[in-house]
Amino acid sequence: DAKTTQPPSMDCAEGRAANLPCNHSTISGNEYVYWYRQIHSQGPQYIIHGLKNNETNEMASLIITEDRKSSTLILPHATLRDTAVYYCIVGVGDSYDKVIFGPGTSLSVIP
Amino acid sequence: NAGVTQTPKFQVLKTGQSMTLQCAQDMNHEYMSWYRQDPGMGLRLIHYSVGAGITDQGEVPNGYNVSRSTTEDFPLRLLSAAPSQTSVYFCASSYGRVTNGYTFGSGTRLTVV
Repeated sequence: DAKTTQPPSMDCAEGRAANLPCNHSTISGNEYVYWYRQIHSQGPQYIIHGLKNNETNEMASLIITEDRKSSTLILPHATLRDTAVYYCIVGVGDSYDKVIFGPGTSLSVIP
Repeated sequence: NAGVTQTPKFQVLKTGQSMTLQCAQDMNHEYMSWYRQDPGMGLRLIHYSVGAGITDQGEVPNGYNVSRSTTEDFPLRLLSAAPSQTSVYFCASSYGRVTNGYTFGSGTRLTVV
């Protein structure tokens, strides 16, 4: 079973920040939070990951709550090309079999 | 640097036929895996490998075989195709124990009639 819970769909206006939530209340102390996205029928694309601290890269920011039971992926200025399914997954770096992709959140960026 | 290459991109099989889906990576990644994705669904792990000569089962391994004779290649074999195996298959790879994220191939779209 997937260890994360995400809303099935979200809308965001173009140019605004997209905030995608994820609940992972059973996360273990050594598990990372990973985010991927899948545009249409392409292969998933890695976005960002984190353990405890907030993380930022050229694509997005990841905010992890202090108790680590939830996180938010932030796309600061959403564009139409950000329309995709976004997957939040948790996993341990050396336990690859535990990395399970759930149904994700379908984000629609609206002009 | 081609990343993860999957062949073929499209395939139609008859029930009972066998075939091999190819996956190759040129990034010297230790870990490779196969996922399937059915319409409107998330990805389900079929098999994975943490290095040459080592493979293990994922969530949905039945009907599929794998082997890992080299670091670069991780083929997925369907011994006797069934309509339930109609799906899009993705291969992924990553490097190191604390992974910096998987690199996925572009997928193989398989239809079994």
